[in-house]
Amino acid sequence: EADIYQTPRYLVIGTGKKITLECSQTMGHDKMYWYQQDPGMELHLIHYSYGVNSTEKGDLSSESTVSRIRTEHFPLTLESARPSHTSQYLCASSEYNREDTIYFGEGSWLTVV
Amino acid sequence: QKEVEQDPGPLSVPEGAIVSLNCTYSNSAFQYFMWYRQYSRKGPELLMYTYSSGNKEDGRFTAQVDKSSKYISLFIRDSQPSDSATYLCAMSSTSGTYKYIFGTGTRLKVLA
Repeated sequence: EADIYQTPRYLVIGTGKKITLECSQTMGHDKMYWYQQDPGMELHLIHYSYGVNSTEKGDLSSESTVSRIRTEHFPLTLESARPSHTSQYLCASSEYNREDTIYFGEGSWLTVV
Repeated sequence: QKEVEQDPGPLSVPEGAIVSLNCTYSNSAFQYFMWYRQYSRKGPELLMYTYSSGNKEDGRFTAQVDKSSKYISLFIRDSQPSDSATYLCAMSSTSGTYKYIFGTGTRLKVLA
């Protein structure tokens, strides 16, 4: 079972607010990821990290930012939320030299009104 | 053309049926293949993973990879209503990059 935790699970927030979605994993994985998934649609990679102080943008352009100050923690921040940011955000992690498994958190459902 | 194609369904089957879920892919560099189960408003849960071609069995689930045809399958035997979920295939290469490619998922409903 994956030990990767996301908070909040559900959030409704007004336009223009700043939000941070938290993600923590206790598996000691070096690689961490943020995906965005709309209902019934595929996952899109928006950020990833290979380790502490390493962050890269993914395939899908996103106005969010991430940081990786500790191995176990990979928060995602939206400085000014907009209705177009309404989506599910999934955090994931994997071991550095393992290509065969990636583990996901339960997801954070964000609604911007 | 997408790198991974997966029939979105929905697929409805009676309880006890054998279910076959499939993905096709175009990139011959993919070596690792995964299947995830995702319940509504939850994160994907890893079911099985395989390396290269062949079969792998775990309880009621069997994963099959045919690299020559660029085709992977997940079979569910004796399907249960609790198997009702969206099933996602995923794959990656050995390049050590971040790149996991996911299918769009097949919605499965097992009717009691």
